[in-house]
Amino acid sequence: AQRVTQPEKLLSVFKGAPVELKCNYSYSGSPELFWYVQYSRQRLQLLLRHISRESIKGFTADLNKGETSFHLKKPFAQEEDSAMYYCAPPLSGGSYIPTFGRGTSLIVHP
Amino acid sequence: KAGVTQTPRYLIKTRGQQVTLSCSPISGHRSVSWYQQTPGQGLQFLFEYFSETQRNKGNFPGRFSGRQFSNSRSEMNVSTLELGDSALYLCASSSDRGNPWAEQYFGPGTRLTVT
Repeated sequence: AQRVTQPEKLLSVFKGAPVELKCNYSYSGSPELFWYVQYSRQRLQLLLRHISRESIKGFTADLNKGETSFHLKKPFAQEEDSAMYYCAPPLSGGSYIPTFGRGTSLIVHP
Repeated sequence: KAGVTQTPRYLIKTRGQQVTLSCSPISGHRSVSWYQQTPGQGLQFLFEYFSETQRNKGNFPGRFSGRQFSNSRSEMNVSTLELGDSALYLCASSSDRGNPWAEQYFGPGTRLTVT
């Protein structure tokens, strides 16, 4: 089965602290993964994707094939980072059911 | 470009009734996917339509069905509603163009409450 898992339901940190939201995947072949974010009262939106290798709002995510992980990291959390974060596989075109992670709620305290 | 729109935004139905939800994708997007979002289960994939054909289907009972029209607009139908169907139903569109790795753009969702 092709799936991603997010082991943490909630992550609570103080402003300025480093943040790491965990995502593990089980895939055959070379995976493509995404992080989506949902801020309060806003729609779900793309934060970043593996293939772009970019940093968005200070967040980065590196694919580690040895550990089958795609953890989302930010060195210094800001209060506006408080949101729900989902790790997600791509649409498969029918070869498997794309299963989002259950989401991690990040709360950044002042 | 206008974003993905979903109607209605809120619905209250009674157990046993049926409901139809509508989704208009971003202009030019041919792939439309539907998800059920609940606090306990997160986002669960319902199905994906591409060029009026169902391309993929999640593990939901047959009460959940959908279709896509020639203008890429999509509808989702749930028959014989159960209390457990109460959820936020999200629609997402993707430009695809044969690339399943394209970003998905999500709508605001339809909040369905079954009483």
